[in-house]
Amino acid sequence: QQPVQSPQAVILREGEDAVINCSSSKALYSVHWYRQKHGEAPVFLMILLKGGEQKGHEKISASFNEKKQQSSLYLTASQLSYSGTYFCGTEGPGNNDMRFGAGTRLTVKP
Amino acid sequence: SAVISQKPSRDICQRGTSLTIQCQVDSQVTMMFWYRQQPGQSLTLIATANQGSEATYESGFVIDKFPISRPNLTFSTLTVSNMSPEDSSIYLCSVRDRGDSPLHFGNGTRLTVT
Repeated sequence: QQPVQSPQAVILREGEDAVINCSSSKALYSVHWYRQKHGEAPVFLMILLKGGEQKGHEKISASFNEKKQQSSLYLTASQLSYSGTYFCGTEGPGNNDMRFGAGTRLTVKP
Repeated sequence: SAVISQKPSRDICQRGTSLTIQCQVDSQVTMMFWYRQQPGQSLTLIATANQGSEATYESGFVIDKFPISRPNLTFSTLTVSNMSPEDSSIYLCSVRDRGDSPLHFGNGTRLTVT
């Protein structure tokens, strides 16, 4: 079942912060985050495997609340290069096939 | 990470014809998947390509329409058969080593059916 992402779109000025949320109605084993720029393939950002796990990658970090079946992606002090569409991908226990959310289009303006 | 070559990168096809998309990986990978992405939309899983056996299809996708081959651990093909304009989309090959590893995507095949 496809996870639910919010918001659908975000417009930021450089240096502003954003949060993208991803939730599932089913129990989750893992949550992945990807970024896709226009005309390109999705690129892996990070994976969260354990409930409560948090990860960071420069100024992009994420958390995973296993009990709530939710994950959030945090973009801090956004840069122009952060623009793109962000997808969360989720897997249930025992599944290796990933389902993706509808995506969040992030636009960072100077 | 694995380097994935997908061919063709784009094609324009006539209604009723078939197109075979190839996915070549530079290393052996356990899992290969085929996704479809309509412009501006999310990624929809078509099927898991199983090495040496029939692919596992998701609801809404059938083998007669999207036959898949995976003769070894580095190569797979997806055929879009008897195409209609509704099949116009981007088709993406993706791979991963194991269940807790990232998905890596090929650059996709942009298909337009006229």
